[in-house]
Amino acid sequence: AQSVTQLGSHVSVSEGALVLLRCNYSSSVPPYLFWYVQYPNQGLQLLLKYTSAATLVKGINGFEAEFKKSETSFHLTKPSAHMSDAAEYFCAVRLTGNQFYFGTGTSLTVIP
Amino acid sequence: NAGVTQTPKFRVLKTGQSMTLLCAQDMNHEYMYWYRQDPGMGLRLIHYSVGEGTTAKGEVPDGYNVSRLKKQNFLLGLESAAPSQTSVYFCASSTPTGRRAQETQYFGPGTRLLVL
Repeated sequence: AQSVTQLGSHVSVSEGALVLLRCNYSSSVPPYLFWYVQYPNQGLQLLLKYTSAATLVKGINGFEAEFKKSETSFHLTKPSAHMSDAAEYFCAVRLTGNQFYFGTGTSLTVIP
Repeated sequence: NAGVTQTPKFRVLKTGQSMTLLCAQDMNHEYMYWYRQDPGMGLRLIHYSVGEGTTAKGEVPDGYNVSRLKKQNFLLGLESAAPSQTSVYFCASSTPTGRRAQETQYFGPGTRLLVL
């Protein structure tokens, strides 16, 4: 069963435009949600994580994500895209136990 | 701290050959994981370990074996490589905290494996 769904495998935005990367989860228990970024030929780096302390989570590099239980979503946003934001982004969920489940990824292209 | 390191960075194997991928972490983390990354499929968990001497199967364990003889090392073995195992392999580590939601995985740079 798919635990995390990322809508849109490729997203293109103009430099300075809003970035919106979508992530929906399926879980009957409170999920622990994460966004990771992967730059070319590198490992994954944590952007932010939802810990249930606040529904709006701020991460590194100006990114933030909002947990919406009613929509089972955890979309990633950034007000103004930079060229350096071009990368692959993964949403992940940790359910019970020690296993993390990753989405299939969204490749972000920033157009100058 | 070097964080999580992986060796080798790149390897080419012929079908049927064996090899071992090494993951090392210097953060004294309890948990370690092996993932494979394939285009359009994201990361899939192969095996993981919650402590020295313990391992468990993940989502796609077939064709792989692992060992965690030392806390800082997690080895991934391919006994008889197949073309379907061509992939990028990532190791990650984490440590339990008082609140599980706080746990963060730290990833290595990856190993690219090509099986011909």
